[in-house]
Order: sequence, then C-alpha cells, then structure tokens
Amino acid sequence: GAVVSQHPSRVICKSGTSVKIECRSLDFQATTMFWYRQFPKQSLMLMATSNEGSKATYEQGVEKDKFLINHASLTLSTLTVTSAHPEDSSFYICSARVEGYEQYFGPGTRLTVT
Amino acid sequence: AQSVAQPEDQVNVAEGNPLTVKCTYSVSGNPYLFWYVQYPNRGLQFLLKYITGDNLVKGSYGFEAEFNKSQTSFHLKKPSALVSDSALYFCAVRDPNDYKLSFGAGTTVTVRA
Repeated sequence: GAVVSQHPSRVICKSGTSVKIECRSLDFQATTMFWYRQFPKQSLMLMATSNEGSKATYEQGVEKDKFLINHASLTLSTLTVTSAHPEDSSFYICSARVEGYEQYFGPGTRLTVT
Repeated sequence: AQSVAQPEDQVNVAEGNPLTVKCTYSVSGNPYLFWYVQYPNRGLQFLLKYITGDNLVKGSYGFEAEFNKSQTSFHLKKPSALVSDSALYFCAVRDPNDYKLSFGAGTTVTVRA
C-alpha cells in the first residue's frame, strides 16, 4: 500500500513551452501533497505544499506564477512549469500524505529543457 | 528552525563490513528524525524514523539508527553492508507542528565487492 506515482517519468521540452507533471496517490486519499526539486547529486528542496481544494503554499524563493500547482482531488496534484528555461531542468519529486501518517514519495520526473 | 547535517559526502566500505552514515540535528523541542535512501533516477524510499521511545530504531533492509540526544546525532548503521546498499542516503527532520521535511545534503554510499 501507500503508492505514489508520477507521470511522466521523463520529459524533454523546448525553451518557452510549458510542461505538466502529475502526481497521484494510487491506493489512498492524500490530505496533503508536496513538491520537491532536486539538482544532480544534491538534496531535495521543498517547493510547495498543497492541500486538496485550496491554494498551494510556496516556499520562499519559489515563483508561484512559474510553478503552478493544482490539487484538484484527494488523489491528484499537478505541477506545471510555465515558460520553461534550461535552468528549470531538474528532477522533480512529489510526495503525499494522509492524516496521521508520514510522506510517501513518488519515483520522480526528470525534466530537461532544451 | 529545524535542520540536519550530514558531514560526509561519501562513504566507501567493503561488502560484509559495517556501514555507518552520520547525521547530526538541530531542532527546538523534540526531534522527529528520518532516514531515506535514493537509487539513481528514483524517488525516496523510507528506511526508518525516530519520534519517541527506544533510542535504537530498526528499519527496512537491515538498517538501524541510534538516536543520541547528548550528541544530537542520529547515525544510520548496518552491521554487514551489501553491494546493493550502494545508493544516496538522506537524513531528514520534520517539524512536529506540520509535515514538512528538511533534508540533509545526502551521503553517497559505495559498497565494493
């Protein structure tokens, strides 16, 4: 149990375009979902926290207009990188939790912006 | 603010030898501490956590960690390392009032055959 999936696992897009990443909790309803960013050989940095039906809370320094987060249901959150640039290339990881339990992490999405 | 530090970028051990990955923490109040492992191009896998109770915590895949309040440490250990334990290991701390995790920089473990 407690499986979190991400789609796509890898995506390549051209500079200036937008790309959407999905995060799903497959066998539980997630109270909260988190989005992290990880640069090569570096730690995870929390980007934002989202609760179903409400606006995401972004960490300091994260541009909310560039990284759009939608948490439309208890099992799905999406991260849209708008007007992507090469410096947005990174590994994006989501996690989900249900009340009373810790975070379960997705397998990650490798974004490459050319 | 809660934070953890992993003083070693890399740890290299021979298969069959003990493995230790170090972590120290800085928190206000009681710490909620975690260890995760990450294989290349994968998400994080939970190994173990300390919330309260026994200082020695046993987790997945034969790993354990010892909470030491006086030294503010939470080192990850495995008595006999396997080549398949080669991965990136993260220590993390959680604020007791919410579920945000703060991660250490990570330690790359290489176990040679």
